[in-house]
This record gives sequence, structure tokens and C-alpha cells, in this order.
Amino acid sequence: GNSVTQMEGPVTLSEEAFLTINCTYTATGYPSLFWYVQYPGEGLQLLLKATKADDKGSNKGFEATYRKETTSFHLEKGSVQVSDSAVYFCALHRIGGGADGLTFGKGTHLIIQP
Amino acid sequence: KAGVTQTPRYLIKTRGQQVTLSCSPISGHRSVSWYQQTPGQGLQFLFEYFSETQRNKGNFPGRFSGRQFSNSRSEMNVSTLELGDSALYLCASSLVGQGHEQYFGPGTRLTVT
Repeated sequence: GNSVTQMEGPVTLSEEAFLTINCTYTATGYPSLFWYVQYPGEGLQLLLKATKADDKGSNKGFEATYRKETTSFHLEKGSVQVSDSAVYFCALHRIGGGADGLTFGKGTHLIIQP
Repeated sequence: KAGVTQTPRYLIKTRGQQVTLSCSPISGHRSVSWYQQTPGQGLQFLFEYFSETQRNKGNFPGRFSGRQFSNSRSEMNVSTLELGDSALYLCASSLVGQGHEQYFGPGTRLTVT
């Protein structure tokens, strides 16, 4: 079946540091890939997405590239801010595989210190 | 445009009772999906409704059910509650379905005692 693996953390960084959160997936076919962010007490918000190999999703300074050869979708940001502190979820949806819905990783808790 | 709303936001129930949670999707969205979020299992897909029909279902027991109304509002019901059903239940809506961008509500925090 489909699965997503990501570091759970917590990941603690200083403000303006470079961020990488690794995400790898297992799926047959050609899934769409997503990063969602969850701020304390809130629901999930879509951060970025990529629907085919080599696509780069980007939003609010965050980027992730769909790498089919390494089945990865790592999230990066060049300079993090305290306001980026949240839980980040990598997810996939396999086209034609709707029976599973969105498959999420366990989430990575990111803490940015001033 | 109003976002996805879920009611109630918090709920405390006793083992053996049943509960109904409600979700109002973004106007124009016809797909509504439900997820359970727990610290141990993370986010797990419950089911998806589209145009009043259940289109997809996750791996949950029959105690978990749902429905969708003609205005796309959705409810999920959990019968014979167990302690393990304590979780944050998230609803998400999208224009077409699972492969497209989903917008999540704030969730309903269910505590079973």
C-alpha cells in the first residue's frame, strides 16, 4: 500500500537557519505529493504541492521538488522565522487510488527559536 | 469566502455513547473527506463523500459512518464509543475530490471517558 515517511522531530532551529525536512514515499503509479502545515489549535493548511516528477512546489519561501528516482519530496526553506513553528505533514494521493484518501506522514514538529 | 467549519469544536462523551459531528464545506465544494488524528496513529483517512455518495472508505470499523446532504454538508457518526476513539476529527473539502487541493476545517476534539 501507500506510505509516507518523514522525520518526526521535534526539530529545533534558530531563526534565519536553513531548513530541510525529509520526506520519502512508497506508492505505485504516479502520486501527487503535498506538504501541509498545522499551527497550534488549527486544522491543516496546504503549503505546497507537486503533481508530476521534477515539478517544484513553492509557497511562502518553502520549496519541495518531486524526485521520482529517489521517491522523495523534501521540504526546504532558506531562512526560517519564529512564525514557521508548526507541525509539517508530507502527504500523497495516488491518482486512481482514491480508496486510500490522502496518505500522511507522521508529521514533523518544527520549533524555531529567536 | 468562508472556510470549512466544523461543529462542535470540543466534545466529551462516555464509553458506549454515540456522537455526531458536523462539517460545512466551502461553498461550491462537492467533496468532503473525514480524517482522524491521534498522537499514536497520526492522520488516518476515514471516508470521502461526493454528491451525497460515499466514494472512498478507509480502514475503520463499521461503528464509523457518515453521510452527505444535498447542500454538501456532511456528518459523521461514531456509535458505541471506545476510549481509543478520542481524537481530533478533521473534515476537508475540495472542488472535485481527493487528488485536488483539500481545505481543512479546525477539527472537532472528541474525548471519550
